[in-house]
Amino acid sequence: DAKTTQPNSMESNEEEPVHLPCNHSTISGTDYIHWYRQLPSQGPEYVIHGLTSNVNNRMASLAIAEDRKSSTLILHRATLRDAAVYYCILQIQGAQKLVFGQGTRLTINP
Amino acid sequence: EAQVTQNPRYLITVTGKKLTVTCSQNMNHEYMSWYRQDPGLGLRQIYYSMNVEVTDKGDVPEGYKVSRKEKRNFPLILESPSPNQTSLYFCASSPLGTGGLNQPQHFGDGTRLSIL
Repeated sequence: DAKTTQPNSMESNEEEPVHLPCNHSTISGTDYIHWYRQLPSQGPEYVIHGLTSNVNNRMASLAIAEDRKSSTLILHRATLRDAAVYYCILQIQGAQKLVFGQGTRLTINP
Repeated sequence: EAQVTQNPRYLITVTGKKLTVTCSQNMNHEYMSWYRQDPGLGLRQIYYSMNVEVTDKGDVPEGYKVSRKEKRNFPLILESPSPNQTSLYFCASSPLGTGGLNQPQHFGDGTRLSIL
């Protein structure tokens, strides 16, 4: 399974932007990049996904490097409710599963 | 409201006593899956189903069974539970996009099982 590398933890302040990095140097041309997050005592929640181009939705933005070997999840204005573990996942073309790593634990300070 | 519902949310039971964790989704999704989450190991897939009567093993299927008789339901069965199956379990569902699973998955809130 293609692997992703994320920092174990990050900290930011409320109402500031947060940039969560992810390295995926072994990504292949047809792998999608997914981001999920898991709030305390809840199941994982879909955040965003993309293939090559940058993507925006109401929750976040996804910036994908030109060589696709890394990506960054951007929370434009963090709130306390954004404190969670964020998972960067490669969805391998033809494989019917998501492979979760350890994720980044994001702490938001008031 | 679109949701994936798991029951029970919590269960403490004893070794060898058969149990079933139910999972139901109301989004008409083809794909459903079970994961277990353990400290230090993250989420690992147990079984998945591409549609009614189509199921397949994930990464850690030993000791588990599933069935998919209806599109909305995907129960997880532990025929003879053992303590190493103590874990947090999640059910997920998604539609099947073009070329396979490229659609977001919706997760339930989890079932915490303790096998004594």
